[in-house]
Amino acid sequence: GQQLNQSPQSMFIQEGEDVSMNCTSSSIFNTWLWYKQDPGEGPVLLIALYKAGELTSNGRLTAQFGITRKDSFLNISASIPSDVGIYFCAGLAGNYGQNFVFGPGTRLSVLP
Amino acid sequence: DTEVTQTPKHLVMGMTNKKSLKCEQHMGHRAMYWYKQKAKKPPELMFVYSYEKLSINESVPSRFSPECPNSSLLNLHLHALQPEDSALYLCASSQGVGTPPYEQYFGPGTRLTVT
Repeated sequence: GQQLNQSPQSMFIQEGEDVSMNCTSSSIFNTWLWYKQDPGEGPVLLIALYKAGELTSNGRLTAQFGITRKDSFLNISASIPSDVGIYFCAGLAGNYGQNFVFGPGTRLSVLP
Repeated sequence: DTEVTQTPKHLVMGMTNKKSLKCEQHMGHRAMYWYKQKAKKPPELMFVYSYEKLSINESVPSRFSPECPNSSLLNLHLHALQPEDSALYLCASSQGVGTPPYEQYFGPGTRLTVT
C-alpha cells in the first residue's frame, strides 16, 4: 500500500533559523496537504498542493510539490517559538479526495 | 470561516458505558470524517460520509457507530469500548470528495479515556 516517510523525524533549531523538512514515497501522489499539530489539538491546515512542481507560500511557510510526484517539501523561514509542533504531510494518490495517507510527522522544537 | 467544532473536549467512560461524540461544521462542506489518533502517531481514518451517506468504513469495530443526521452534523456513538480505544478522536470536513479542493479541516478533537 501507499506509505509516506517524513524526514527528519525530529529537529531542534535555534530561533531565527530556517527549517526544511520533506515527505517522500515510492508511490505517485496527486495532492499534498501539510498540517501543523499542537499538543492536544487538532491538525491545522497550512498549505495544499495540486500540481507537480507547484510552489506555494503561506507567510513564512513555503511548500513544493515534487516534480516526480513522489515527494513534497516544506520550508519555514526565520523560525519563532510558536512554530513548535508536529508537522504532518498527507498525500492523495487517486483523484477522489477521501483517502489521504498521512506521514508519521516531523517534530519541531525551537530553542530560544 | 474554517471552523469545525467537537464536543466534548474530554470524555472518560467505563467499558460498559454508552456515549456519543459530536461534530459540527457550518462551512457548507458535504464530506465529513472521523479519525482516531494515538499519541505520537498520525491520524488514522475511521469513517467518511459523503453527502450524508457512509462511503468509507476502514474496518472499524462495531463498538464504534457513526451517524450523520444532516450535512452539518456528525456523531460517533460509542459502546462497550476497550481501554486500547483511548485516543484523540478527530472530526474533519471537506468541501467534497469528487473534485478539488480536497482540503480537510480538522476540529480540536475529543480526548477519550476508557477505564
